[in-house]
Amino acid sequence: EAQVTQNPRYLITVTGKKLTVTCSQNMNHEYMSWYRQDPGLGLRQIYYSMNVEVTDKGDVPEGYKVSRKEKRNFPLILESPSPNQTSLYFCASSDPMGYEQYFGPGTRLTVT
Amino acid sequence: RKEVEQDPGPFNVPEGATVAFNCTYSNSASQSFFWYRQDCRKEPKLLMSVYSSGNEDGRFTAQLNRASQYISLLIRDSKLSDSATYLCVVNPWEGDSNYQLIWGAGTKLIIKP
Repeated sequence: EAQVTQNPRYLITVTGKKLTVTCSQNMNHEYMSWYRQDPGLGLRQIYYSMNVEVTDKGDVPEGYKVSRKEKRNFPLILESPSPNQTSLYFCASSDPMGYEQYFGPGTRLTVT
Repeated sequence: RKEVEQDPGPFNVPEGATVAFNCTYSNSASQSFFWYRQDCRKEPKLLMSVYSSGNEDGRFTAQLNRASQYISLLIRDSKLSDSATYLCVVNPWEGDSNYQLIWGAGTKLIIKP
């Protein structure tokens, strides 16, 4: 089954404690992306990657890091989480033209 | 002004009715347009693309009005299962790729029995 997986699905953590949200896709997509979704706002892109070892900032990259060492994986790293990073996070992948974005199930992060 | 604007709703519509909502975009050079559907607390899923000539898929019709810079989604014979949030998505770039899409905040639709 073609899918994008994210882990964990829910996470409550404290300010400053480093965390990683994993994302993996089995569709051999070149393009992957991370979004955050907050009430009243549209999905906002954090980082994206057009291929292995190629990453670029989206609209709201501050406080986040990513890496793309393998085609299927695109982890999101919060080195020092802060309460304003409390949000619902989605990983997505697509073919090179980005015609259809396939999303993971989301990770609900709470930083206290 | 937001780049992509949608009426947040909710639109409360009786089952079987027709409902339509619009999405306006600010960049006149925008090339690609999409409607995604998002169920509560779930991931967005592509509903349909919006072509210059319009696009129809069963009970759903999407239209593009470049002169007024908006896209629309029409749902006929609405079903209870159509209850969801509908996200308008725009590619603001002149290139072919859709890597950096601009997402609206969504319009919430509630179909009542």
